[in-house]
Amino acid sequence: DSGVTQTPKHLITATGQRVTLRCSPRSGDLSVYWYQQSLDQGLQFLIQYYNGEERAKGNILERFSAQQFPDLHSELNLSSLELGDSALYFCASSRDHIYNEQFFGPGTRLTVL
Amino acid sequence: SQQGEEDPQALSIQEGENATMNCSYKTSINNLQWYRQNSGRGLVHLILIRSNEREKHSGRLRVTLDTSKKSSSLLITASRAADTASYFCATVRDSGTYKYIFGTGTRLKVLA
Repeated sequence: DSGVTQTPKHLITATGQRVTLRCSPRSGDLSVYWYQQSLDQGLQFLIQYYNGEERAKGNILERFSAQQFPDLHSELNLSSLELGDSALYFCASSRDHIYNEQFFGPGTRLTVL
Repeated sequence: SQQGEEDPQALSIQEGENATMNCSYKTSINNLQWYRQNSGRGLVHLILIRSNEREKHSGRLRVTLDTSKKSSSLLITASRAADTASYFCATVRDSGTYKYIFGTGTRLKVLA
């Protein structure tokens, strides 16, 4: 158990809908990262937050957004969902700076029908 | 394009044998990390090697880094069936937009 929690574990929704994925980092970790893992694209970095502020952006679509709250939990919002958004979404956290190892949550499996 | 590329894509060995996986990347890095992922589960950090280090050990794992060739290798000695998983290298860039770049992974199968 990495100490990172993600909810929900599974999510099934329809195209055009909007969903919110939630992540609680390990106790004491200030950085949160979001990743998308699909069969054809591998593991793609989406975005990083550090102590409430956006720190780095990766391959995140404009339909996706995220935020980190004062209690350090983070949410990833996915809107206008398309079939291709079906994937495993992982959250990870690290103690502080990006140079440190990351601890991954169990993931949320999103299925868009 | 993805910075890290693992080689081979898949590897099948007998229990007790050594497994070697390679990772190549394209730009300068601050560090390189190896992660393991069991099917459909979260990644687990194995080892981190900084750009000024050449070799690092952790239990049955040995990682090397050659910054001149922009490559790294992960050696798992005396493999066990429980080592069956996908292994990913991840690079952290030294400058520019900080982000992790994960490779495409090597699927290792250890046969009992």
